[in-house]
Amino acid sequence: EDKVVQSPLSLVVHEGDTVTLNCSYEVTNFRSLLWYKQEKKAPTFLFMLTSSGIEKKSGRLSSILDKKELFSILNITATQTGDSAVYLCAVERSSNYKLTFGKGTLLTVNP
Amino acid sequence: SAVISQKPSRDICQRGTSLTIQCQVDSQVTMMFWYRQQPGQSLTLIATANQGSEATYESGFVIDKFPISRPNLTFSTLTVSNMSPEDSSIYLCSVADPGQGSGANVLTFGAGSRLTVL
Repeated sequence: EDKVVQSPLSLVVHEGDTVTLNCSYEVTNFRSLLWYKQEKKAPTFLFMLTSSGIEKKSGRLSSILDKKELFSILNITATQTGDSAVYLCAVERSSNYKLTFGKGTLLTVNP
Repeated sequence: SAVISQKPSRDICQRGTSLTIQCQVDSQVTMMFWYRQQPGQSLTLIATANQGSEATYESGFVIDKFPISRPNLTFSTLTVSNMSPEDSSIYLCSVADPGQGSGANVLTFGAGSRLTVL
């Protein structure tokens, strides 16, 4: 059975801090790992990672995948209150678009 | 990227009743999925909605409890039947969206339907 474990489950920081969110996984026939941000209900796509060691970057957010050690990290630098959300990690197996999600990390950024 | 409209956005239902959730996409999509997110839990795939044929259900989900229709490439419904308080959850529609992720088929999600069963 596919498994995705995220840590920490929750995190409280102050504006300007840098945070690192972790995602480890076990999946048969791994195809990709995805990060989503969920603020209210709809998860919104952040990154898709398929290759080890290649950093994906978007503004203050970046992510990298290690397929040997089966984990990914999501970094957020210079956090803002608008970064407060649940960050979801998901893995896809074998090109069938079905995702297995972790429980998410609840990030709270205080002013 | 695809725009997904779901309704209702929320509802409060009585035990034993059924509710149908609608999902409308602004473009034709091949792959459409229904997920559930119970309080404090991760998103769990219920089924793949197949156009013109029966939905494909994941382990632990059955057609009698969660009947799904997919009459065309832009629309699907999920019914939660004979509801109990354990069905209180957010139900999300998603589609494989070639408009996201640099051309890769990333899943785009609707805003979800929050059901509370009393």
